[in-house]
Amino acid sequence: QQQVKQSPQSLIVQKGGISIINCAYENTAFDYFPWYQQFPGKGPALLIAIRPDVSEKKEGRFTISFNKSAKQFSLHIMDSQPGDSATYFCAATFSGNTPLVFGKGTRLSVIA
Amino acid sequence: DAGVIQSPRHEVTEMGQEVTLRCKPISGHNSLFWYRQTMMRGLELLIYFNNNVPIDDSGMPEDRFSAKMPNASFSTLKIQPSEPRDSAVYFCASSSLALGGEKLFFGSGTQLSVL
Repeated sequence: QQQVKQSPQSLIVQKGGISIINCAYENTAFDYFPWYQQFPGKGPALLIAIRPDVSEKKEGRFTISFNKSAKQFSLHIMDSQPGDSATYFCAATFSGNTPLVFGKGTRLSVIA
Repeated sequence: DAGVIQSPRHEVTEMGQEVTLRCKPISGHNSLFWYRQTMMRGLELLIYFNNNVPIDDSGMPEDRFSAKMPNASFSTLKIQPSEPRDSAVYFCASSSLALGGEKLFFGSGTQLSVL
């Protein structure tokens, strides 16, 4: 019930294309769904997050789509750039300062 | 803001040796988390503290692992004795309970290699 399943494990996208990473969760008590971005040799950093009261959140080229009934959420990166090449982690938790449960990560490579 | 500071950045040791990893959270943050990252298992939570008190250590793999937080600005993760399967990147993260506690700030990690 605490798992967050992330796919794909790796992704190669052409520059200017759309990158899509998917996550599914089981625990319906989760109410906070962030995405973290990690560059080599660095720790993960918060990229964008959503709560289940909205179905979509957009920040620049990054959009989270959330489907509460399907218990799924996804990250869309529009106009993907080589600088977006990194590992992306989805995560989930519920309010009250419980730790984040992370997906296993997606290694994104954006090629020119 | 200096961010979460971890030391050392890299540690190479031999099986059976004691290893101590260190973390300084962001000033004012009162939750601290230790995660371990491997290719096979991704990011696993080992233990977390609220206000210097350990809340959940169920992720600590074995009794060989121990963690302490003697004050709000310092935490250690100790492995004694170390084994090759402990090789991984260990991350410390902190957050502020006053701001909801959900946004984690990670350090740059310690790359541990046990030979």
